Amino acid sequence: SQTIHQWPATLVQPVGSPLSLECTVEGTSNPNLYWYRQAAGRGLQLLFYSVGIGQISSEVPQNLSASRPQDRQFILSSKKLLLSDSGFYLCACRDGYTFGSGTRLTVV
Amino acid sequence: AQSVTQLDSQVPVFEEAPVELRCNYSSSVSVYLFWYVQYPNQGLQLLLKYLSGSTLVESINGFEAEFNKSQTSFHLRKPSVHISDTAEYFCAVRSNFGNEKLTFGTGTRLTIIP
Repeated sequence: SQTIHQWPATLVQPVGSPLSLECTVEGTSNPNLYWYRQAAGRGLQLLFYSVGIGQISSEVPQNLSASRPQDRQFILSSKKLLLSDSGFYLCACRDGYTFGSGTRLTVV
Repeated sequence: AQSVTQLDSQVPVFEEAPVELRCNYSSSVSVYLFWYVQYPNQGLQLLLKYLSGSTLVESINGFEAEFNKSQTSFHLRKPSVHISDTAEYFCAVRSNFGNEKLTFGTGTRLTIIP
């Protein structure tokens, strides 16, 4: 079965600072990977998905970017965080429809 | 395009009482359906899924859901709830082609009253 590792679990960052969230997957190869964001009191919104190394599709225009440097690694980044980037970020894998434990980001 | 509606944002239920969490979806193509559970400050755990075959699917902890194509519904039920079932529950739909992304409802917070 697949396991998704996300870190860090929590993060407090000032406005304007950079961001890098990492997601790694075990137990499968060449998976479809996804980044979702869950804002307080709302459902989950798909931000990015990737079907392979270097292949990124963005679902919504925003201040964030994603990269997939390795088959089982998916990174979410920002050059300058905004207050509106606060939320709970979840990485997911198509195989097994599995989610990671998430990163709670608070931008202050 | 597809969408998911969870009409009830909060459902309080007494312990050992039955519960039904409602989920309706909209899609122009055939879909797969999912229920996820989220405990506080944790990620999402897959509770059960309907891909094909029997329209009634069950989870290991007593929940079940029935796919009703004519009513475009996938309601989640449990005959007797426990305190440990307190969590947020998300219904999701996925089309079986394209980028295979999951589209989620806004969630239902289930609170069990002792």
